[in-house]
Amino acid sequence: DVKVTQSSRYLVKRTGEKVFLECVQDMDHENMFWYRQDPGLGLRLIYFSYDVKMKEKGDIPEGYSVSREKKERFSLILESASTNQTSMYLCASSHSLNPSLRDEQYFGPGTRLTVT
Amino acid sequence: SQKIEQNSEALNIQEGKTATLTCNYTNYSPAYLQWYRQDPGRGPVFLLLIRENEKEKRKERLKVTFDTTLKQSLFHITASQPADSATYLCALDDTGFQKLVFGTGTRLLVSP
Repeated sequence: DVKVTQSSRYLVKRTGEKVFLECVQDMDHENMFWYRQDPGLGLRLIYFSYDVKMKEKGDIPEGYSVSREKKERFSLILESASTNQTSMYLCASSHSLNPSLRDEQYFGPGTRLTVT
Repeated sequence: SQKIEQNSEALNIQEGKTATLTCNYTNYSPAYLQWYRQDPGRGPVFLLLIRENEKEKRKERLKVTFDTTLKQSLFHITASQPADSATYLCALDDTGFQKLVFGTGTRLLVSP
């Protein structure tokens, strides 16, 4: 079974702090994604990566950065946390870049981040 | 503008009945569409994928249809059970590079 793990289930940080959210997948997947989920807005893509050291902006990248130094690990960084970044953060992975394969995404359990 | 719409109101049905959830989209031309289940406090779990050239897909008690003319997908759960209670998300591909756009989901409540 594919397993996607996230470093924390719950996190409370103060405004202005630098925050690191870690995600690890164990199935050698090429693609990894970071989403945030807010009531009424659904899942929104922050960044994704289709290879080591590669990253692409999603729909809402402002205020975030990412790092992918190893294939299995994808980190989301909030350089200076703000209260509007309070949200559920979900990491996902999928197998291949090949558009014809249409792979499903496997999600981690999520990190509920509160910024006070 | 581009939109994916799912009924934001919860769907309440009785055990044993068929649940039908709707996903409508505007200004997308997806090559495929996916459905996920999400339980409270957990990440979504993949259920089914249907391609643009497929009218219908089945998996056990689940059935998905995809009408590219109507720009709509229907998700059916037959013989529903209380354990089917969850939020169901539809997602379609955007740009074709494994990048999905998700609807906001519909909450399904199946009562005994």
